[in-house]
Amino acid sequence: DADVTQTPRNRITKTGKRIMLECSQTKGHDRMYWYRQDPGLGLRLIYYSFDVKDINKGEISDGYSVSRQAQAKFSLSLESAIPNQTALYFCATSEPRDYNNEQFFGPGTRLTVL
Amino acid sequence: AQSVTQLDSQVPVFEEAPVELRCNYSSSVSVYLFWYVQYPNQGLQLLLKYLSGSTLVKGINGFEAEFNKSQTSFHLRKPSVHISDTAEYFCAVSEPQGAQKLVFGQGTRLTINP
Repeated sequence: DADVTQTPRNRITKTGKRIMLECSQTKGHDRMYWYRQDPGLGLRLIYYSFDVKDINKGEISDGYSVSRQAQAKFSLSLESAIPNQTALYFCATSEPRDYNNEQFFGPGTRLTVL
Repeated sequence: AQSVTQLDSQVPVFEEAPVELRCNYSSSVSVYLFWYVQYPNQGLQLLLKYLSGSTLVKGINGFEAEFNKSQTSFHLRKPSVHISDTAEYFCAVSEPQGAQKLVFGQGTRLTINP
């Protein structure tokens, strides 16, 4: 079984709709991250969380919100989706006690906003 | 602030030929460096990482990279590529301390032709 899972894997929605992307992990890691990938831009950090009570904005947080429901779950919400939020979204985890900053990625969610 | 530049957006090579994917970074502090690979329709997988010590780092699938501090580079190499190496490759940088955030380059799409 995959250590980091994302649901849904694909989603098509319309402008103005509220969307939630979910991420779960079985690695027992404290830190979780949300990135979006756009062609030619690489991955950019949206939000990250050190633990359930610690949420931080990343490089491109406008238009997004997150919720860390438990150590293992980190959800990304688009309150009112717009077409330029069409992208591939990745969740990742890391463990600070490993002292190597390696992140482990989920399989991604492909979101299309029409 | 850190930044990463991958100098080639696409690299086509013939099977069994050598390949080099170039990565330059900018940072005012010491860094950890990573190469991730993304196979079609999959998440990111770590190829190799430089934390400290020997500047030549060996990774999975026959890849290696060399850290050059004076040139602020971390180029990825493989002496003989295979069709299965077709993928997108991302260089990333992270500060050793703090939030363990990764800053990614724009990605290089490696296409192996028979």
